[in-house]
Amino acid sequence: DSGVTQTPKHLITATGQRVTLRCSPRSGDLSVYWYQQSLDQGLQFLIQYYNGEERAKGNILERFSAQQFPDLHSELNLSSLELGDSALYFCASSEIQGPNSPLHFGNGTRLTVT
Amino acid sequence: EDQVTQSPEALRLQEGESSSLNCSYTVSGLRGLFWYRQDPGKGPEFLFTLYSAGEEKEKERLKATLTKKESFLHITAPKPEDSATYLCAVLDYGGSQGNLIFGKGTKLSVKP
Repeated sequence: DSGVTQTPKHLITATGQRVTLRCSPRSGDLSVYWYQQSLDQGLQFLIQYYNGEERAKGNILERFSAQQFPDLHSELNLSSLELGDSALYFCASSEIQGPNSPLHFGNGTRLTVT
Repeated sequence: EDQVTQSPEALRLQEGESSSLNCSYTVSGLRGLFWYRQDPGKGPEFLFTLYSAGEEKEKERLKATLTKKESFLHITAPKPEDSATYLCAVLDYGGSQGNLIFGKGTKLSVKP
């Protein structure tokens, strides 16, 4: 068990809808990362927060947004959903940013857009 | 552009048959190379971090090595429980904004 909790585990929704994915990092970890994993693309970095502030953006669509709250949990909001957004969404946390602090991943939310 | 390429895409071994997985990378400046294991329906699980060429790390039947252009994950006398997808990722100083770039993984199956 990595200590990172993601909810819900599964989400099925229709095109055009909006969903919110939730992540609770490991106790003591200040940095939260969101990744998308699809069969053809592998793990793609979306966005990172550190202690409530956005630190880095990757291949995140404008329809997607995230935030980290004062209690350090994070939410990833996906709107105007398209079929191609179906994927596994992983949250990871680390104590600090950098090579000495490896990422610890949750078990993901599987999003299916129909 | 930073790139991470893993080979083979899939590998089938008999129990006890040792082999190696490859991860080749192109980055402007390597801060660290990471190996993760991912089981079906689970998130990636951290295995190793390597920082510089010549470095080696071991854990049970796994041994990771690093050169200036690639890393190998050697699996000695594998068991069925070693079956998983093994992911390689790099952290660089440059355009990735300090975040991990993952390869697509090698799916390892070990038959009894």
